[in-house]
Amino acid sequence: QKEVEQNSGPLSVPEGAIASLNCTYSDRGSQSFFWYRQYSGKSPELIMSIYSNGDKEDGRFTAQLNKASQYVSLLIRDSQPSDSATYLCAVNPDDKIIFGKGTRLHILP
Amino acid sequence: EAGVAQSPRYKIIEKRQSVAFWCNPISGHATLYWYQQILGQGPKLLIQFQNNGVVDDSQLPKDRFSAERLKGVDSTLKIQPAKLEDSAVYLCASSLAFGQGYEQYFGPGTRLTVT
Repeated sequence: QKEVEQNSGPLSVPEGAIASLNCTYSDRGSQSFFWYRQYSGKSPELIMSIYSNGDKEDGRFTAQLNKASQYVSLLIRDSQPSDSATYLCAVNPDDKIIFGKGTRLHILP
Repeated sequence: EAGVAQSPRYKIIEKRQSVAFWCNPISGHATLYWYQQILGQGPKLLIQFQNNGVVDDSQLPKDRFSAERLKGVDSTLKIQPAKLEDSAVYLCASSLAFGQGYEQYFGPGTRLTVT
């Protein structure tokens, strides 16, 4: 059974701080990794994709991938109240994507 | 570029009734996905199409769910008869193709309530 694990939260972070979201996956053959943001009552929105080990930065967001440890993370710098949402980790072990259950992030004003 | 379109946005039915959802993917996207998302969980893949062929329907409850994508563009998902546990958001997504590295983009979803 291929799995993607995330802490469900809620993760509470003060405004302006760094939010760190983590995800582990079971299939070593996975090559593609995605982070989606989902506001309450809305559909998932793709915010980052990462395919190789290391860091990938896009604005305030940094995705980090460590295939040896089967670990992918998302850092959000200078957290804003608008970042409060559920963050879904998705992993592509073969021809389909498997989603984690998501981590609820709450930015404290 | 227009995104993934879905309708209706909300639907309330009684158990044992039937319901159908419609999805139009992003123009040029060959792969279309239907997901079920129950509150507090991640999306669960129901069926995946490549053009008008089914790639994966292993998690589709085929005794009550059916889906088609006749002309390789838009798609319908049907539930007949509905059960209480089918209450969920049904998400349609599309990607250029399927396989490693193809990003999926989601429509707004249809929130189904079965009473």
